[in-house]
Amino acid sequence: QVQLQESGPGLVKPSQTLSLTCTVSGGSFSSGSYYWSWIRQPAGKGLEWIGRLYTSGSTNYNPSLKSRVTISLDTSKNQFSLKLTSVTAADTAVYYCARGGGDYPLTYWGQGTLVTVSS
Amino acid sequence: SYELTQPPSVSVSPGQTASITCSGDKLGDKYVCWYQQKPGQSPVLVIYEDRKRPSGIPERFSGSNSGNTATLTISGTQGMDEADYYCQAWDSSTVVFGGGTKLTVL
Repeated sequence: QVQLQESGPGLVKPSQTLSLTCTVSGGSFSSGSYYWSWIRQPAGKGLEWIGRLYTSGSTNYNPSLKSRVTISLDTSKNQFSLKLTSVTAADTAVYYCARGGGDYPLTYWGQGTLVTVSS
Repeated sequence: SYELTQPPSVSVSPGQTASITCSGDKLGDKYVCWYQQKPGQSPVLVIYEDRKRPSGIPERFSGSNSGNTATLTISGTQGMDEADYYCQAWDSSTVVFGGGTKLTVL
């Protein structure tokens, strides 16, 4: 059974960079070709897709966030990461990592991690 | 940008059938997924490729997609089905979610 776990700072100051890591267990990046996504959800609101990464390293991003987002892969650690620059209070949300994205369903999700942007 | 529209809320009596719609331009030409999210929990995939159920999802969950509307149907709704439901599609290299529907089982 594939499991995903988000990790990273729970508090980020405005204008700084939000950095999160998703660790995948129960399978490795090298054992198959999959998409890996980041999704976020502000409190009381809906889901917003941030972007996805293919095992080859290619990426797609939400156009509304594209200028601030980078998703990268570290196959040696079975991890993929999210960097979101120049954050504001509007970036405060629960951030989820998941396997899938696009025409591939988001089949496995992490438990989510709350990131608050505040000084 | 592509948009998916869901009703904010749907109510159903226990044992009855609940239908949650998701509308988008030519949505029938795309694959639709549905996710269930209970309070404080991560979303769970309940339908993919319009009508397929992942392993472990009860048969009472079904889906359809035609024209501009996809529908998630829950037959014999149970109290445990009370949750938020999100539709999702893929358009122009972007994952798009609907705004979500709160299903209340009265």
